[in-house]
Amino acid sequence: AQSVTQPDIHITVSEGASLELRCNYSYGATPYLFWYVQSPGQGLQLLLKYFSGDTLVQGIKGFEAEFKRSQSSFNLRKPSVHWSDAAEYFCAVGANQGGKLIFGQGTELSVKP
Amino acid sequence: GAVVSQHPSRVICKSGTSVKIECRSLDFQATTMFWYRQFPKKSLMLMATSNEGSKATYEQGVEKDKFLINHASLTLSTLTVTSAHPEDSSFYICSAERDRDTGELFFGEGSRLTVL
Repeated sequence: AQSVTQPDIHITVSEGASLELRCNYSYGATPYLFWYVQSPGQGLQLLLKYFSGDTLVQGIKGFEAEFKRSQSSFNLRKPSVHWSDAAEYFCAVGANQGGKLIFGQGTELSVKP
Repeated sequence: GAVVSQHPSRVICKSGTSVKIECRSLDFQATTMFWYRQFPKKSLMLMATSNEGSKATYEQGVEKDKFLINHASLTLSTLTVTSAHPEDSSFYICSAERDRDTGELFFGEGSRLTVL
Protein backbone atom coordinates (compact mmCIF):
# COMPACT_ATOMS: atom_id res chain seq x y z
CA ALA A 1 0.00 0.00 0.00
CA GLN A 2 1.13 3.52 -0.69
CA SER A 3 1.65 5.58 2.41
CA VAL A 4 3.64 8.32 4.02
CA THR A 5 4.62 8.26 7.66
CA GLN A 6 5.77 11.19 9.70
CA PRO A 7 6.69 9.62 13.04
CA ASP A 8 6.77 12.86 15.02
CA ILE A 9 3.40 14.46 15.66
CA HIS A 10 4.87 17.45 17.47
CA ILE A 11 8.41 18.77 17.78
CA THR A 12 9.65 21.71 19.83
CA VAL A 13 13.01 23.28 19.13
CA SER A 14 14.73 26.37 20.39
CA GLU A 15 15.20 29.28 18.06
CA GLY A 16 18.56 28.99 16.36
CA ALA A 17 18.77 25.25 16.86
CA SER A 18 18.89 22.79 14.02
CA LEU A 19 15.83 20.90 12.89
CA GLU A 20 15.14 17.56 11.28
CA LEU A 21 11.65 16.34 10.46
CA ARG A 22 11.35 12.72 9.52
CA CYS A 23 9.41 11.25 6.62
CA ASN A 24 9.22 7.66 5.48
CA TYR A 25 7.26 6.46 2.51
CA SER A 26 5.99 3.28 0.99
CA TYR A 27 5.47 3.50 -2.72
CA GLY A 28 5.40 0.94 -5.49
CA ALA A 29 7.02 3.03 -8.15
CA THR A 30 9.65 5.73 -8.34
CA PRO A 31 8.36 8.33 -5.92
CA TYR A 32 8.05 12.01 -6.43
CA LEU A 33 8.50 13.55 -2.98
CA PHE A 34 7.40 16.85 -1.56
CA TRP A 35 7.49 18.87 1.63
CA TYR A 36 4.78 21.43 2.30
CA VAL A 37 4.30 23.90 5.12
CA GLN A 38 0.93 25.04 6.45
CA SER A 39 0.41 27.98 8.76
CA PRO A 40 -2.72 27.92 10.97
CA GLY A 41 -5.88 28.24 8.93
CA GLN A 42 -3.96 28.53 5.70
CA GLY A 43 -3.35 26.48 2.60
CA LEU A 44 -0.15 24.70 1.78
CA GLN A 45 3.07 26.16 0.52
CA LEU A 46 5.62 24.04 -1.28
CA LEU A 47 9.00 24.02 0.45
CA LEU A 48 10.83 21.68 -1.88
CA LYS A 49 10.46 18.65 -4.08
CA TYR A 50 12.52 15.74 -5.32
CA PHE A 51 12.06 14.03 -8.63
CA SER A 52 15.45 12.77 -9.66
CA GLY A 53 19.11 13.65 -9.70
CA ASP A 54 20.96 14.98 -6.70
CA THR A 55 19.43 13.41 -3.63
CA LEU A 56 19.98 16.53 -1.54
CA VAL A 57 17.52 19.18 -2.58
CA GLN A 58 17.37 22.78 -1.53
CA GLY A 59 14.13 24.57 -0.93
CA ILE A 60 12.81 27.90 0.14
CA LYS A 61 13.32 29.50 3.54
CA GLY A 62 16.62 27.72 4.07
CA PHE A 63 15.17 24.21 4.13
CA GLU A 64 16.74 21.17 2.54
CA ALA A 65 15.80 17.52 2.30
CA GLU A 66 17.69 14.36 1.52
CA PHE A 67 16.25 11.42 -0.38
CA LYS A 68 17.55 8.07 0.79
CA ARG A 69 16.17 5.29 -1.31
CA SER A 70 17.64 2.54 0.86
CA GLN A 71 15.80 3.90 3.87
CA SER A 72 12.68 5.04 2.01
CA SER A 73 13.13 8.37 3.68
CA PHE A 74 12.95 12.02 2.74
CA ASN A 75 13.83 13.96 5.87
CA LEU A 76 13.56 17.73 6.03
CA ARG A 77 16.30 19.76 7.66
CA LYS A 78 17.14 23.30 8.55
CA PRO A 79 20.40 24.34 10.21
CA SER A 80 18.97 27.21 12.25
CA VAL A 81 15.28 27.54 13.03
CA HIS A 82 13.53 30.89 13.19
CA TRP A 83 10.43 31.64 15.24
CA SER A 84 8.51 32.17 12.00
CA ASP A 85 9.11 28.53 11.08
CA ALA A 86 6.51 27.43 13.61
CA ALA A 87 3.86 25.69 11.52
CA GLU A 88 2.61 22.31 10.39
CA TYR A 89 4.82 20.41 7.98
CA PHE A 90 3.58 17.77 5.60
CA CYS A 91 5.53 15.25 3.60
CA ALA A 92 3.82 13.94 0.47
CA VAL A 93 4.45 11.42 -2.26
CA GLY A 94 3.05 11.18 -5.76
CA ALA A 95 3.36 9.25 -8.96
CA ASN A 96 4.48 12.26 -10.94
CA GLN A 97 5.33 15.90 -10.56
CA GLY A 98 1.80 16.87 -9.72
CA GLY A 99 -1.54 15.24 -9.57
CA LYS A 100 -2.72 13.13 -6.71
CA LEU A 101 -0.62 13.31 -3.62
CA ILE A 102 -0.57 11.11 -0.55
CA PHE A 103 0.17 13.13 2.54
CA GLY A 104 1.73 12.16 5.81
CA GLN A 105 0.03 12.94 9.10
CA GLY A 106 1.96 16.12 9.52
CA THR A 107 4.44 17.32 12.13
CA GLU A 108 3.64 20.38 14.16
CA LEU A 109 6.72 22.47 14.84
CA SER A 110 6.88 24.79 17.80
CA VAL A 111 9.79 27.17 18.28
CA LYS A 112 10.68 28.41 21.72
CA PRO A 113 12.64 31.59 22.33
CA GLY B 1 4.11 32.36 -8.21
CA ALA B 2 0.75 31.15 -9.39
CA VAL B 3 -2.27 31.93 -7.25
CA VAL B 4 -5.17 29.73 -6.33
CA SER B 5 -7.99 31.32 -4.40
CA GLN B 6 -10.79 29.73 -2.45
CA HIS B 7 -14.03 31.36 -1.45
CA PRO B 8 -15.41 31.59 1.11
CA SER B 9 -12.56 31.19 3.55
CA ARG B 10 -15.03 30.54 6.35
CA VAL B 11 -18.66 29.53 6.25
CA ILE B 12 -21.14 28.57 8.92
CA CYS B 13 -24.38 26.93 7.95
CA LYS B 14 -27.29 25.08 9.48
CA SER B 15 -27.76 21.35 9.18
CA GLY B 16 -29.61 20.36 6.06
CA THR B 17 -28.49 23.28 3.95
CA SER B 18 -26.07 23.13 1.04
CA VAL B 19 -22.84 25.05 0.82
CA LYS B 20 -20.78 25.84 -2.24
CA ILE B 21 -17.02 26.41 -2.09
CA GLU B 22 -15.19 27.87 -5.05
CA CYS B 23 -11.63 27.24 -6.14
CA ARG B 24 -10.18 29.57 -8.73
CA SER B 25 -6.85 29.65 -10.47
CA LEU B 26 -6.29 33.37 -10.83
CA ASP B 27 -3.43 33.57 -13.27
CA PHE B 28 -3.32 30.25 -15.06
CA GLN B 29 -5.60 27.68 -16.58
CA ALA B 30 -6.04 24.45 -14.72
CA THR B 31 -7.51 21.48 -16.49
CA THR B 32 -7.19 19.48 -13.30
CA MET B 33 -7.97 20.48 -9.75
CA PHE B 34 -8.02 18.40 -6.60
CA TRP B 35 -10.17 18.66 -3.51
CA TYR B 36 -8.85 17.66 -0.11
CA ARG B 37 -10.43 17.48 3.29
CA GLN B 38 -8.45 18.09 6.43
CA PHE B 39 -9.66 17.15 9.89
CA PRO B 40 -8.24 18.94 12.93
CA LYS B 41 -4.71 17.81 13.69
CA LYS B 42 -4.94 15.39 10.80
CA SER B 43 -3.51 14.98 7.37
CA LEU B 44 -5.10 15.95 4.09
CA MET B 45 -7.37 13.37 2.58
CA LEU B 46 -7.89 13.48 -1.16
CA MET B 47 -11.59 13.57 -1.90
CA ALA B 48 -11.74 13.85 -5.67
CA THR B 49 -10.03 14.87 -8.87
CA SER B 50 -11.85 17.52 -10.82
CA ASN B 51 -11.34 17.61 -14.58
CA GLU B 52 -12.55 20.49 -16.69
CA GLY B 53 -15.48 19.50 -18.83
CA SER B 54 -15.92 16.03 -17.43
CA LYS B 55 -17.14 14.27 -14.32
CA ALA B 56 -15.03 14.30 -11.24
CA THR B 57 -13.27 11.17 -10.10
CA TYR B 58 -13.97 10.42 -6.46
CA GLU B 59 -11.75 8.56 -4.07
CA GLN B 60 -13.00 5.45 -2.41
CA GLY B 61 -15.33 6.16 0.47
CA VAL B 62 -16.25 9.69 -0.65
CA GLU B 63 -19.95 10.14 -1.32
CA LYS B 64 -20.26 11.77 -4.71
CA ASP B 65 -23.90 12.66 -4.15
CA LYS B 66 -22.98 14.48 -0.99
CA PHE B 67 -19.92 16.26 -2.30
CA LEU B 68 -20.79 17.58 -5.73
CA ILE B 69 -17.87 18.78 -7.80
CA ASN B 70 -18.18 20.86 -10.92
CA HIS B 71 -15.30 22.07 -13.07
CA ALA B 72 -17.10 24.17 -15.62
CA SER B 73 -14.19 26.28 -16.77
CA LEU B 74 -10.41 26.16 -16.89
CA THR B 75 -10.16 28.48 -13.91
CA LEU B 76 -12.98 27.40 -11.64
CA SER B 77 -13.93 24.28 -9.76
CA THR B 78 -16.69 24.18 -7.17
CA LEU B 79 -17.37 21.82 -4.31
CA THR B 80 -20.94 21.73 -3.04
CA VAL B 81 -21.62 20.02 0.26
CA THR B 82 -25.24 18.99 0.02
CA SER B 83 -27.55 18.57 2.99
CA ALA B 84 -24.69 19.36 5.31
CA HIS B 85 -24.43 17.76 8.73
CA PRO B 86 -22.16 18.60 11.66
CA GLU B 87 -19.84 15.73 10.72
CA ASP B 88 -19.14 17.53 7.44
CA SER B 89 -17.50 20.33 9.38
CA SER B 90 -13.92 20.44 8.22
CA PHE B 91 -11.23 22.37 6.41
CA TYR B 92 -11.49 21.91 2.67
CA ILE B 93 -8.49 22.67 0.47
CA CYS B 94 -8.22 22.67 -3.28
CA SER B 95 -5.16 22.46 -5.47
CA ALA B 96 -4.77 23.23 -9.14
CA GLU B 97 -2.36 21.70 -11.61
CA ARG B 98 -0.84 24.51 -13.63
CA ASP B 99 1.03 22.60 -16.25
CA ARG B 100 0.31 19.02 -17.19
CA ASP B 101 3.90 18.49 -18.26
CA THR B 102 5.49 19.70 -15.06
CA GLY B 103 2.43 18.90 -13.00
CA GLU B 104 3.22 21.68 -10.61
CA LEU B 105 0.48 22.10 -8.02
CA PHE B 106 -0.70 25.21 -6.28
CA PHE B 107 -2.91 25.11 -3.23
CA GLY B 108 -5.71 27.39 -2.19
CA GLU B 109 -5.91 28.96 1.24
CA GLY B 110 -8.57 26.54 2.36
CA SER B 111 -12.20 26.94 3.41
CA ARG B 112 -13.36 26.27 6.95
CA LEU B 113 -16.88 24.82 7.02
CA THR B 114 -18.81 24.68 10.28
CA VAL B 115 -22.20 23.02 10.26
CA LEU B 116 -24.40 23.78 13.23
